[in-house]
Amino acid sequence: EVQLVESGGGLVQPGGSLRLSCAASRFTFSGYWLSWVRQAPGKGLEWVANIKQDGSEKFYADSVRGRFTISRDNAKNSLYLQMNSLRAEDTAVYYCAKGIWFGECFESWGQGTLVTVSS
Amino acid sequence: YDLTQPPSVSVSPGQTARITCSGNVLPKQYAHWYQQKPGQAPVLVILKDSERPSGIPERFSGSRSGTTVTLTISGVQAEDEADYYCQSAQSSGTYTWVIFGGGTKLAV
Repeated sequence: EVQLVESGGGLVQPGGSLRLSCAASRFTFSGYWLSWVRQAPGKGLEWVANIKQDGSEKFYADSVRGRFTISRDNAKNSLYLQMNSLRAEDTAVYYCAKGIWFGECFESWGQGTLVTVSS
Repeated sequence: YDLTQPPSVSVSPGQTARITCSGNVLPKQYAHWYQQKPGQAPVLVILKDSERPSGIPERFSGSRSGTTVTLTISGVQAEDEADYYCQSAQSSGTYTWVIFGGGTKLAV
């Protein structure tokens, strides 16, 4: 069974930075698109970013473009999300997801890590 | 939201639940459906409009008609009470981004 384990969440002040990690196992990591999806408390799902198998293509939601950077290390089976200039509205549970169908469908999800942006 | 779902649907056990999702992108892009129970991560229940992933009960099915896709749960069980999200993608030139509907709370 696919495993995706997020880490790196926590409390950060507005304007601060945080780096999330997602450790993957039990599938061929380098063969799949990967994504970050977030969910604000009591709200719906919001796609954040995704990255192609070799990292050559990256796409971002308008709400995070220019502030967040998605990356991956296929040698370490790890996905990352560098989040800068954080805002209160970035407060959410951040999920790592394994993509299929050109990364446009999320076949497996991690359990999420909570990011709280507050002073 | 570029994908529109009803906020809530209510059915009795054993009945059929239908959750719709509408959007102009849907005639051109596949739709996928996720189930999310409180405190849990989402689970893919339908992909590419009507395919059921391995392990998903046969009572879950999907269909499409024009700009609307529908998730149908036949013989609803108490354990099906959850939030359901449709999801698709939009493209502009070489840029593609993923979109979600606002979610539908299914009450059983």
